[in-house]
Amino acid sequence: AQKITQTQPGMFVQEKEAVTLDCTYDTSDPSYGLFWYKQPSSGEMIFLIYQGSYDQQNATEGRYSLNFQKARKSANLVISASQLGDSAMYFCAMRDQGGSEKLVFGKGTKLTVNP
Amino acid sequence: EADIYQTPRYLVIGTGKKITLECSQTMGHDKMYWYQQDPGMELHLIHYSYGVNSTEKGDLSSESTVSRIRTEHFPLTLESARPSHTSQYLCASSEATVKNIQYFGAGTRLSVL
Repeated sequence: AQKITQTQPGMFVQEKEAVTLDCTYDTSDPSYGLFWYKQPSSGEMIFLIYQGSYDQQNATEGRYSLNFQKARKSANLVISASQLGDSAMYFCAMRDQGGSEKLVFGKGTKLTVNP
Repeated sequence: EADIYQTPRYLVIGTGKKITLECSQTMGHDKMYWYQQDPGMELHLIHYSYGVNSTEKGDLSSESTVSRIRTEHFPLTLESARPSHTSQYLCASSEATVKNIQYFGAGTRLSVL
């Protein structure tokens, strides 16, 4: 079964600095997808970035990039030039390769951006 | 991206009441999901659907039921709400593509007194 581990319950960063949120995963499937979502205090889940296991390059979406190290089974999210609006919970997730294709989530990291 | 709508956003209700949480999407996605999330915790799948007339239970046992009569609509019903049902419920939909990115609604925060 897939498992996602996020070891940082909380992270703090100064505005305009970069921050890395850690995510490690465990799966026996050779083909898998990794996702990062942002959840503000209002509760919605906002899709940020996707990395496929066979993608040759690390994914990037604007200020978000994914540091994908397949051999180490890590998929860290890098947020550049942090903004106050980046303060939120961040969840790493993996798509289950079974019938439901559900997302398996980590426990999340609460990011606080300080002015 | 998907436009996916959940109503109500917040619901406070007494024990024993029947409730229906609404979820609708306008992108014609075949796959839809319901997740449950307790405060500060990860999401867990409680129901999913591959399309019209298809519904399956997820990993997390839930006393709720779902229906999928129309592609765009995936409501969740609790016949008799209990305090243990207090949680946030998030609906998602996805295209049938390799990436299968799931897009979420804003969620319903349910509190059963």
